Amino acid sequence: DAGITQSPRHKVTETGTPVTLRCHQTENHRYMYWYRQDPGHGLRLIHYSYGVKDTDKGEVSDGYSVSRSKTEDFLLTLESATSSQTSVYFCAISPGQGGGGELFFGEGSRLTVL
Amino acid sequence: KQEVTQIPAALSVPEGENLVLNCSFTDSAIYNLQWFRQDPGKGLTSLLLIQSSQREQTSGRLNASLDKSSGRSTLYIAASQPGDSATYLCAVRGRDAGKSTFGDGTTLTVKP
Repeated sequence: DAGITQSPRHKVTETGTPVTLRCHQTENHRYMYWYRQDPGHGLRLIHYSYGVKDTDKGEVSDGYSVSRSKTEDFLLTLESATSSQTSVYFCAISPGQGGGGELFFGEGSRLTVL
Repeated sequence: KQEVTQIPAALSVPEGENLVLNCSFTDSAIYNLQWFRQDPGKGLTSLLLIQSSQREQTSGRLNASLDKSSGRSTLYIAASQPGDSATYLCAVRGRDAGKSTFGDGTTLTVKP
């Protein structure tokens, strides 16, 4: 158990509303990641963080923002949700200082944007 | 840009068979390669991590190999069981430690 908790696990929302997904870890790892998984596209990196207030963009960052004010929490925000953001979102952590270690994933958050 | 391909997309085998799943990547300048298992509706479970300096890793009935020069990795599953039925994904970590590229996975069905 990598000690990763995602919330909410399921959410249905309307187009244009803001949505925030939370990833919480219990081990104080430095590196945290947000991925989305879609049929035909596999897992794609949205944003990642390498420390408190240190974040960087991934492959599909448009329309998403992140924040990390505490080591244990990494928040993913959709400022104005669109139907194309309907997906399963996974948080991951990587132990170690350099971020090159094993990836461990949370159980996922399924988001439906109507 | 790194591209990761997993072939076949789906595989069905009878119980007890030994099998090999394939993962190929286009850029050999990798940091590590990781194999995962994903059950329907669940998160990814790490199976094996191979560092770029290693040739293989073993865990129980699983053996993963890495050939950087040819851009290939294989996951060998011995004596398959129905409980092995799942989607298997490989992920390649580049020199930028923040970013891994995933394949689309191979969905394995092991029939009793």
